[in-house]
Amino acid sequence: AQSVTQPDIHITVSEGASLELRCNYSYGATPYLFWYVQSPGQGLQLLLKYFSGDTLVQGIKGFEAEFKRSQSSFNLRKPSVHWSDAAEYFCAVSDSWGKLQFGAGTQVVVTP
Amino acid sequence: GAVVSQHPSRVICKSGTSVKIECRSLDFQATTMFWYRQFPKQSLMLMATSNEGSKATYEQGVEKDKFLINHASLTLSTLTVTSAHPEDSSFYICSVGSGGTEAFFGQGTRLTVV
Repeated sequence: AQSVTQPDIHITVSEGASLELRCNYSYGATPYLFWYVQSPGQGLQLLLKYFSGDTLVQGIKGFEAEFKRSQSSFNLRKPSVHWSDAAEYFCAVSDSWGKLQFGAGTQVVVTP
Repeated sequence: GAVVSQHPSRVICKSGTSVKIECRSLDFQATTMFWYRQFPKQSLMLMATSNEGSKATYEQGVEKDKFLINHASLTLSTLTVTSAHPEDSSFYICSVGSGGTEAFFGQGTRLTVV
């Protein structure tokens, strides 16, 4: 069975500092991996996705993620965070039919 | 990508009543849609897979008689929460699977049962 683990429930980062959110997955085949962001009371916005090919994936809002098969990881990074990046971030893995399994989420707080 | 519209965005209902939530795929014919539920400060959990023209597939622990799903056309799936109770208060969100891999989400519905 597939699973997704986000080890960090809560991260506080200073504005302008770098951010890295961890995601580990367990999946029998090559996974389809996603990062979504959710602002309070809002729906989900796709930041980036990995299906195959280049293991470093560029997304929107200056985010990137790197797929590491050997570590079963798909960590999300941003070199310099902005106050507007404060939100909940979800890593997800999908099967071939678009059904998603989400991690528990990481709450990001950005301090001045 | 597919555009998914979910309605209503917010609903308050009395305990014991039923609430219907609509999920429309505006520009994509969706044979499959997914319904998720998110309790406050928790992750999204898949409730069921909605299949056009056939019965929905429910995840373990989800009561099919309580959460009725109808997928009568390629553009519309509905979730009806029957005899709602306060513990059903949650954020419900649907998605459309496009091309089998990527999912496109509706805006979500905040249900409050009082």
